[in-house]
Amino acid sequence: DAGITQSPRHKVTETGTPVTLRCHQTENHRYMYWYRQDPGHGLRLIHYSYGVKDTDKGEVSDGYSVSRSKTEDFLLTLESATSSQTSVYFCAITPDFLTDTQYFGPGTRLTVL
Amino acid sequence: GDSVTQMEGPVTLSEEAFLTINCTYTATGYPSLFWYVQYPGEGLQLLLKATKADDKGSNKGFEATYRKETTSFHLEKGSVQVSDSAVYFCALKNKVNSRGGSEKLVFGKGTKLTVNP
Repeated sequence: DAGITQSPRHKVTETGTPVTLRCHQTENHRYMYWYRQDPGHGLRLIHYSYGVKDTDKGEVSDGYSVSRSKTEDFLLTLESATSSQTSVYFCAITPDFLTDTQYFGPGTRLTVL
Repeated sequence: GDSVTQMEGPVTLSEEAFLTINCTYTATGYPSLFWYVQYPGEGLQLLLKATKADDKGSNKGFEATYRKETTSFHLEKGSVQVSDSAVYFCALKNKVNSRGGSEKLVFGKGTKLTVNP
């Protein structure tokens, strides 16, 4: 158990509203990732972080921003949610650069009406 | 860029049948290869991995061999159970990173497996 929690686990919101998803880890792991999962696409990387205040874009970053002010928290923000952002969002961590494996959180199901 | 192609699903088998899920990859360098499993309503869990050519990853009766010559990492199990019903994802991660750190995973689209009693 990598000690990863995501909140909220489910959210329904309306188009145009801001939404923030939180990923929290208890083990002070350095690397954190946000993915979205959609049918027919598998998992696609949105943003990732190498450490506090050190983030980079993934392949589907448009419309999303992230922040990491503390090691344990990685926040994903949809500034103005759209229906195309309806998805299941997963957070993942890697303990250090010597470790190949990523460990995933339980996911957040977001519906944008 | 790096990519992973895995067989389209869904796959439906009877209990105790033999399972193969094909996975091929395109990557520069020498990636590590993974199979992740996602049970209904849950996040992804690492099933097995291989970090270099000819390595065999195994776990819970599942096996996959890293074949560099065919750029493949096919998942196999000799006798599936109802509890193996899940979505299976093949993924790769390249070791080389200009930041000197952990590189992101590239996933296939997933294969849904249903095992009937």
